[in-house]
Amino acid sequence: DSGVTQTPKHLITATGQRVTLRCSPRSGDLSVYWYQQSLDQGLQFLIQYYNGEERAKGNILERFSAQQFPDLHSELNLSSLELGDSALYFCASSVGGTSGSRGDTQYFGPGTRLTVL
Amino acid sequence: AQTVTQSQPEMSVQEAETVTLSCTYDTSESNYYLFWYKQPPSRQMILVIRQEAYKQQNATENRFSVNFQKAAKSFSLKISDSQLGDTAMYFCAFMKHAVGGGADGLTFGKGTHLIIQP
Repeated sequence: DSGVTQTPKHLITATGQRVTLRCSPRSGDLSVYWYQQSLDQGLQFLIQYYNGEERAKGNILERFSAQQFPDLHSELNLSSLELGDSALYFCASSVGGTSGSRGDTQYFGPGTRLTVL
Repeated sequence: AQTVTQSQPEMSVQEAETVTLSCTYDTSESNYYLFWYKQPPSRQMILVIRQEAYKQQNATENRFSVNFQKAAKSFSLKISDSQLGDTAMYFCAFMKHAVGGGADGLTFGKGTHLIIQP
């Protein structure tokens, strides 16, 4: 158990809908990352938040957005869903401290399996 | 942008054998980190080992060790005395040094499916 929690475990929805995925980082971690794993694209970095602020952006679609709250949990919002958005969505966390320290290591949650029908 | 290449889609070895998984990467960064993650059938992503690019010494974690060749941009994973529980997808990942401290997003290879046969 990495200490990172994600809810829900599974989500089934229809095209055009909007969903919210939730992540709670490990105790003490300030950084949260979101990744998408699909058969077509493999594992892709979407976005990073550090202590409530957006820190880095990857291949995140405009239909997707995220935020990190004062208690450090994060939510990934996916809207106008398409069949191709079906994937496993991972959240990861790290201490996010001085680079070069062990705090840079990212620990992954169990993922949310999203199915768009 | 960085790229990570894992040229072996699938490998199969007998239990107790030693196996080496290959990974090469391309980057113009001078400060970065490299990782191997394991994804068993449960789909959980589990950190196997980490290497800081500024360290010449190869990282080791019990039966897992790496061969880091910075000039060749190569980062292979060696698993000694392989066990049935090592059966999983193995992903090589790159992370650049983030300006101002903190971490950055990981760039992953496409993975190698390792099967340990009894």
